[in-house]
Amino acid sequence: DAGVTQSPTHLIKTRGQQVTLRCSPKSGHDTVSWYQQALGQGPQFIFQYYEEEERQRGNFPDRFSGHQFPNYSSELNVNALLLGDSALYLCASSLAPTGNTIYFGEGSWLTVV
Amino acid sequence: AQTVTQSQPEMSVQEAETVTLSCTYDTSENNYYLFWYKQPPSRQMILVIRQEAYKQQNATENRFSVNFQKAAKSFSLKISDSQLGDTAMYFCAFMRGGGSNYKLTFGKGTLLTVNP
Repeated sequence: DAGVTQSPTHLIKTRGQQVTLRCSPKSGHDTVSWYQQALGQGPQFIFQYYEEEERQRGNFPDRFSGHQFPNYSSELNVNALLLGDSALYLCASSLAPTGNTIYFGEGSWLTVV
Repeated sequence: AQTVTQSQPEMSVQEAETVTLSCTYDTSENNYYLFWYKQPPSRQMILVIRQEAYKQQNATENRFSVNFQKAAKSFSLKISDSQLGDTAMYFCAFMRGGGSNYKLTFGKGTLLTVNP
């Protein structure tokens, strides 16, 4: 049973560039959430996708956008990268309507230089 | 808005001993879930234990157990017979119950080191 998978694992981008991170949820899960974890901090909720729509959003600017595909996989896009966007980006999946068991991927480490 | 506070940035314990990690939270909700997640150096967030707020009985998973005090809004994690593999960051997290709200609010974490 495949868990949550994310790609790429590491990447380096330049300020002002755009980045796309990808996530495949755990088999059978239909809800995907994205979190940003800065060094030494707890994860912060970015947004959540269910039925290909953004259902909830945390306190992140519009530069952060996402998408969910019919197969439940998801992408996180960040435009106009800032140095402060350097962080571990975690994808989490769960199954509606219970949703109270949430599994995480290993994350994508983004460095902005 | 909910907040989660972990007041111990770092803790250490000797192998085979018992350690307790503290967590407090603030919410006006009555239906919610509480979690402890472990994040080893591999970075993957691993679910350790889950507690439903409507259940009075404290959750237990093998060597891991919680002390859930709803009135005090306290949710501590006890690790018994500590093992070297327990060394990791531990995060306490809150999730509102009901509907399709699966957003987790995390504390800042406690770095636990198990010494041989």
